[in-house]
Amino acid sequence: DTAVSQTPKYLVTQMGNDKSIKCEQNLGHDTMYWYKQDSKKFLKIMFSYNNKELIINETVPNRFSPKSPDKAHLNLHINSLELGDSAVYFCASSSMTGGLSGSGADTQYFGPGTRLTVL
Amino acid sequence: QKEVEQNSGPLSVPEGAIASLNCTYSDRVSQSFFWYRQYSGKSPELIMSIYSNGDKEDGRFTAQLNKASQYVSLLIRDSQPSDSATYLCAVRSRGSTLGRLYFGRGTQLTVWP
Repeated sequence: DTAVSQTPKYLVTQMGNDKSIKCEQNLGHDTMYWYKQDSKKFLKIMFSYNNKELIINETVPNRFSPKSPDKAHLNLHINSLELGDSAVYFCASSSMTGGLSGSGADTQYFGPGTRLTVL
Repeated sequence: QKEVEQNSGPLSVPEGAIASLNCTYSDRVSQSFFWYRQYSGKSPELIMSIYSNGDKEDGRFTAQLNKASQYVSLLIRDSQPSDSATYLCAVRSRGSTLGRLYFGRGTQLTVWP
């Protein structure tokens, strides 16, 4: 009954490689996010999709490309990995339709994270 | 630039004490406020959400919101060693892109037995 799941949990790879992280949510939410958490624990948003449409695209290198095949899935593909990409990447989801009421339905729920290490 | 500021800590309290975590935000039209707890190596999990001025209590946790002062706090009563974690404050603004949360850098709490 996992709510937000991510694969893989750990990813160790060499500089220059291309890798993907997958995220799925079974909460029926319409909005999904990718966050990057650096070694100092700062959680920084990268992308957000609402019903498969990109709505937040922060200043992120073009090497990062999100893809949302449907509203329950949001994947992150990273090309030409660099040392500075090493971090924990979290997927999250929320419901925008509940967000206007202030009822708590706009809460974001996080996946377990993917620890990416670039060597 | 919308900013969310937290005391970075670390905050250290003895078991059974009240831990007080503070957060200020810069955007006056902020409307949703969240406290997340993050254990080392784990993902953030929601502790409390608050939307209106005043106090909101849930078990040992109380969130306090003062929109005039742009201040939100989290009180943990009868602190336990299991409360030792990093606490993240997050704010959503009415005018921001749907769903966009702004996070503080977190306060690390240690509860010693």
